Amino acid sequence: AQKITQTQPGMFVQEKEAVTLDCTYDTSDPSYGLFWYKQPSSGEMIFLIYQGSYDQQNATEGRYSLNFQKARKSANLVISASQLGDSAMYFCAMRSVYNNDMRFGAGTRLTVKP
Amino acid sequence: ETGVTQSPTHLIKTRGQQVTLRCSSQSGHNTVSWYQQALGQGPQFIFQYYREEENGRGNFPPRFSGLQFPNYSSELNVNALELDDSALYLCASSLGDGNSGNTIYFGEGSWLTVV
Repeated sequence: AQKITQTQPGMFVQEKEAVTLDCTYDTSDPSYGLFWYKQPSSGEMIFLIYQGSYDQQNATEGRYSLNFQKARKSANLVISASQLGDSAMYFCAMRSVYNNDMRFGAGTRLTVKP
Repeated sequence: ETGVTQSPTHLIKTRGQQVTLRCSSQSGHNTVSWYQQALGQGPQFIFQYYREEENGRGNFPPRFSGLQFPNYSSELNVNALELDDSALYLCASSLGDGNSGNTIYFGEGSWLTVV
């Protein structure tokens, strides 16, 4: 069974500093994708970054980077130079290529302080 | 803007009633999936449709059903509503199986309250 674990219910970071949001996963499938989404209070899930299980390099998208450690089954999101607008819920998700069930973690609420 | 639109945005229903939620996919996307997100939790996969056929289902009872139309828009139907069905319902569209990262786009969701 696939499982996603986000152990940080809430995180605080000072504006302009970097923050790491943790995500670990469990799967027996050899091929899968890992996703991070941002969800503001409006409810929309905003795609941030994707990492394929066979990708050799860690994914980066602007201020977002994914610290992918396959052996440890972790896919932490790093946000550099935090902005006030980054305050939101962040979800880690995984999807196997063998089924269409995208599993989400419980989320981390990030608050950026001015 | 993801190009995925959902309606209605908010609605209130009475226990035992039926509800239909609608989703318009991003242009060109032939796969749509639905998720239920209870307050304070992550989204839970309900089912997925690819070219009008259901090709994946999560752990939800048969009273949760869906349709995908030739234009790839979709409906989620829930019969015999229960109080625990109160949640945000998210629709996501993608091209093919969407297993290549940023081709999976979510709408803003429909907030359902069952009283």
